[in-house]
Amino acid sequence: QVQLVESGGGVVQPGRSLRLSCAASGFTFSSFGMHWVRQAPGKGLEWVAVILYDGSNEYYADSVKGRFTISRDNSKNTLSLQMNSLRAEDTSVYYCAREGAYCSGDTCYRYYFDYWGQGTLVTVSS
Amino acid sequence: EIVLTQSPGTLSLSPGERASLSCRASQSVSSSYFAWYQQKPGQAPRLLIYGASSRATGIPDRFSGSGSGTDFTLTISRLEPEDFAVYYCQQYGSSRYTFGQGTKLEIK
Repeated sequence: QVQLVESGGGVVQPGRSLRLSCAASGFTFSSFGMHWVRQAPGKGLEWVAVILYDGSNEYYADSVKGRFTISRDNSKNTLSLQMNSLRAEDTSVYYCAREGAYCSGDTCYRYYFDYWGQGTLVTVSS
Repeated sequence: EIVLTQSPGTLSLSPGERASLSCRASQSVSSSYFAWYQQKPGQAPRLLIYGASSRATGIPDRFSGSGSGTDFTLTISRLEPEDFAVYYCQQYGSSRYTFGQGTKLEIK
């Protein structure tokens, strides 16, 4: 079965860095785009970043562009998020999520999140 | 960036009743790139509907999605106790993914 397990969260001071990891299993990791989605305490979901299945392209939310870097190691089935210059407003549970895709006939459904990890909490505080 | 607005913010209903949750987009979105999720306290979100109307694997048929363009609806035909949760809509466009702010479905 598909499993996504995040790690690396914790308490960090503003301006410092933190690296999150997501270990994937139960599917062919190198065939799927992968995302980070975050949720501030008591708030809604916010998409953070995506990396294509082969690592050839990445896209970021404006709120993290230039500070966060998403990467993947297909040989180790691992997704990462390097977070630099952290701010208080980055405090959230960070989820890794697999991008789903399904084609039927001439119609392809894409760009949704079909599996999620349990999340890891990042707290940015002095 | 396309903004998704969900209504109502909170919906109070009883088990057995029918629930209709709305999601309105600030501009037209592709139905193929529209989804709904359920989230219970302390848990990760769970995919319910993709492609605006296709149920994800294992999702009961009391859940259905409809809509196109700027107006989408998630309907739960007969509420079960386990359906009381927060529901989010989500879309993709221009290399960006956005979520609605959520609708909390609570027991009346």
